[in-house]
Amino acid sequence: DQQVKQNSPSLSVQEGRISILNCDYTNSMFDYFLWYKKYPAEGPTFLISISSIKDKNEDGRFTVFLNKSAKHLSLHIVPSQPGDSAVYFCAATTTGNQFYFGTGTSLTVIP
Amino acid sequence: KAGVTQTPRYLIKTRGQQVTLSCSPISGHRSVSWYQQTPGQGLQFLFEYFSETQRNKGNFPGRFSGRQFSNSRSEMNVSTLELGDSALYLCASSLVGGQDIQYFGAGTRLSVL
Repeated sequence: DQQVKQNSPSLSVQEGRISILNCDYTNSMFDYFLWYKKYPAEGPTFLISISSIKDKNEDGRFTVFLNKSAKHLSLHIVPSQPGDSAVYFCAATTTGNQFYFGTGTSLTVIP
Repeated sequence: KAGVTQTPRYLIKTRGQQVTLSCSPISGHRSVSWYQQTPGQGLQFLFEYFSETQRNKGNFPGRFSGRQFSNSRSEMNVSTLELGDSALYLCASSLVGGQDIQYFGAGTRLSVL
């Protein structure tokens, strides 16, 4: 039962444009959400997070939006850079429990 | 500060064998979680250990087991390997678990022939 879903396996964006990665979840009890980035042959690295009491969190070029009524979050990267090319995983959790990860979206930023 | 270290990086085994993977967490981190990554399935949670006790467990068969030592290092074991166990196994550590940010190792790539 996939509680966190990333329905787009891949995304291509021109350098300098905005990248929007989407994530949907089914468990309304999730109260903390994260995005991780993974390069080949490396483990995932933490990118940005958001608590369910917020609807937006920014960190430099990265912004995460949370729409609790739609059970949807998105990651915006502006402007996109070739070094952003990686697989992006969203994850969700409830207090004291495991992290649930999506299946990942492979982002390619074209120079 | 050294990151999360997983050994070995690559393993090739045959069906029916067993395998042990090792994970050394970041110094000071007491929580270690294990994940299986396969194409199309994302990261599937196996289990989490904290202070040598299994605190959470995912939906995997009993062939998958783990343990944690007093220095927080962790091992996971898979017995009676099946072809479907071929995957990247990732270990993540965090200070105390819960909603702490998890820091991942590079993983162990297991191939079952």
